[in-house]
Amino acid sequence: RKEVEQDPGPFNVPEGATVAFNCTYSNSASQSFFWYRQDCRKEPKLLMSVYSSGNEDGRFTAQLNRASQYISLLIRDSKLSDSATYLCVVNPDAGNMLTFGGGTRLMVKP
Amino acid sequence: SQTIHQWPATLVQPVGSPLSLECTVEGTSNPNLYWYRQAAGRGLQLLFYSVGIGQISSEVPQNLSASRPQDRQFILSSKKLLLSDSGFYLCAWSSPRGVGTQYFGPGTRLLVL
Repeated sequence: RKEVEQDPGPFNVPEGATVAFNCTYSNSASQSFFWYRQDCRKEPKLLMSVYSSGNEDGRFTAQLNRASQYISLLIRDSKLSDSATYLCVVNPDAGNMLTFGGGTRLMVKP
Repeated sequence: SQTIHQWPATLVQPVGSPLSLECTVEGTSNPNLYWYRQAAGRGLQLLFYSVGIGQISSEVPQNLSASRPQDRQFILSSKKLLLSDSGFYLCAWSSPRGVGTQYFGPGTRLLVL
């Protein structure tokens, strides 16, 4: 079983749609969680951290479910510019290392 | 603010040739530094990480090596490139006092022919 699993997609959605991605992690002791965004042929960039109580940043909402060991990312009112690969990232032990999921590809169509 | 630089941006090298990729960080002290490789359409593979000058940990045995000659400089090298070394090489840094958030450089795209 992979340490961090994501549906690779692609998720094809029309502009204005709401789309949600889930990610599961295997280490129940994992300490911190993030979503990164990677555009084609570019470096990953931090989108948002994921807090235990859930957090929102504009059209983006992240949720953490420790009991079921999954993280979600909800994007409302999708824009063409949201098209990218979204990486689920876990810090398994509060140390220096991160574990990256394989990414979920989102394509927003006009 | 902190910035991270990588060069070159792209590189085409013949099989068997040497490699040297450089990464430098500005605006922070004693960062943790990382080298990743991303093959086409694949996830990120951690190659090396460093918590200080001269301290290198290798995650995957291969023909690559890393060095950290200065606090904010991280170098990825190879004596003889293989076809399988082609990929997108990313350097990242994190604060040793944070929760592990890593920030990536723009990457070097390497094609070995």
